[in-house]
Amino acid sequence: SAVISQKPSRDICQRGTSLTIQCQVDSQVTMMFWYRQQPGQSLTLIATANQGSEATYESGFVIDKFPISRPNLTFSTLTVSNMSPEDSSIYLCSVEGSPGQGTLYEQYFGPGTRLTVT
Amino acid sequence: AQSVTQLGSHVSVSEGALVLLRCNYSSSVPPYLFWYVQYPNQGLQLLLKYTTGATLVKGINGFEAEFKKSETSFHLTKPSAHMSDAAEYFCAVKLTGANSKLTFGKGITLSVRP
Repeated sequence: SAVISQKPSRDICQRGTSLTIQCQVDSQVTMMFWYRQQPGQSLTLIATANQGSEATYESGFVIDKFPISRPNLTFSTLTVSNMSPEDSSIYLCSVEGSPGQGTLYEQYFGPGTRLTVT
Repeated sequence: AQSVTQLGSHVSVSEGALVLLRCNYSSSVPPYLFWYVQYPNQGLQLLLKYTTGATLVKGINGFEAEFKKSETSFHLTKPSAHMSDAAEYFCAVKLTGANSKLTFGKGITLSVRP
């Protein structure tokens, strides 16, 4: 399975500011995803990060609030913009598949970034 | 669209007792099924998965799950609970085919009493 790291692991931010979260994978992967886990809740998919093109957002999430980049097959960033206390969550990066092998149907997750907005 | 139901939010067992965490799914076609575990302050770890073939699948840490199509269930079991099993457990479903999304249940917290 891929080894996934995220930076920062946690942060406390003031409302109105923005935070960029980095996700680095130790091997090339086909699919990269960003999830949000609000306190005591399950995981909600924010978007699929597409390499070389705009991310695909799920209903309720927009690019202006959660801009995503994916410059290559091993790296992606998620920015949480103009933050409010409601954005306090764990943000998780997830990956699936390898180039040339198609999807393996298994998704692996990073350790998460714990964001608190005050 | 698919969905996952995990009844209850918390299960408590004694150390050495059987662990049973229930998961039912709704899907128009037989999906792929997964169990993930989340230890405190960590990300999700894949415990086991069912895609095709044998309906009883074994995973890490002594866990196993059985896919029952007739019951649309994929319950997670472990014969003997260990203190280190205390965590949050998520059942997830994914339809076959390209661009399908992983859909999670709301999760169950497992506590293990000494």
